[in-house]
Amino acid sequence: GQQLNQSPQSMFIQEGEDVSMNCTSSSIFNTWLWYKQDPGEGPVLLIALYKAGELTSNGRLTAQFGITRKDSFLNISASIPSDVGIYFCAGCRVDSNYQLIWGAGTKLIIKP
Amino acid sequence: DGGITQSPKYLFRKEGQNVTLSCEQNLNHDAMYWYRQDPGQGLRLIYYSQIVNDFQKGDIAEGYSVSREKKESFPLTVTSAQKNPTAFYLCASSMWGLARKTDTQYFGPGTRLTVL
Repeated sequence: GQQLNQSPQSMFIQEGEDVSMNCTSSSIFNTWLWYKQDPGEGPVLLIALYKAGELTSNGRLTAQFGITRKDSFLNISASIPSDVGIYFCAGCRVDSNYQLIWGAGTKLIIKP
Repeated sequence: DGGITQSPKYLFRKEGQNVTLSCEQNLNHDAMYWYRQDPGQGLRLIYYSQIVNDFQKGDIAEGYSVSREKKESFPLTVTSAQKNPTAFYLCASSMWGLARKTDTQYFGPGTRLTVL
């Protein structure tokens, strides 16, 4: 089925490090969303992007809508323990009915 | 508090039994959704409902059924026809639904269904 390519699949980081993850597709998207999911809970929206090239921040999080409209990036600066969880990208394709297509997630783990 | 509630949090059922998962929202949202989540995969849409008494199949509707008799409620029944029902089920709602690209989906806490 349809899916976004999200990478990396998992990341082991030290507290204080910066984190980068991305989503790519062969299709053109008109919306990119980034969600975070804690264990046993539902995803929570972090950032929404609606225009190519758009760069949006939410505290230590920054996301960008790729200029080609086929990708998006999420950066987390100065990671803290509560950043652990699974980060999902989701998007709406230009030729769809705005149904969300989801990446498989990036699992963020803090190294002790 | 406004939000989406799902119950139960954990559900165990024997193979061959139908089971119904509850989803309620008090956000006055028009649209509601059911997703299935399996380890290492993105969310997959089972059903969605744009308005009361209307619902559409998603990508993996086989073996599932829904109803939308009230705006606040969107229960999901996992039938015995679903070949691999063990999964984490997430309900979501949004203000307008799939008609607007700027619509945002808000998720409930999920129900973990295990079929023994």
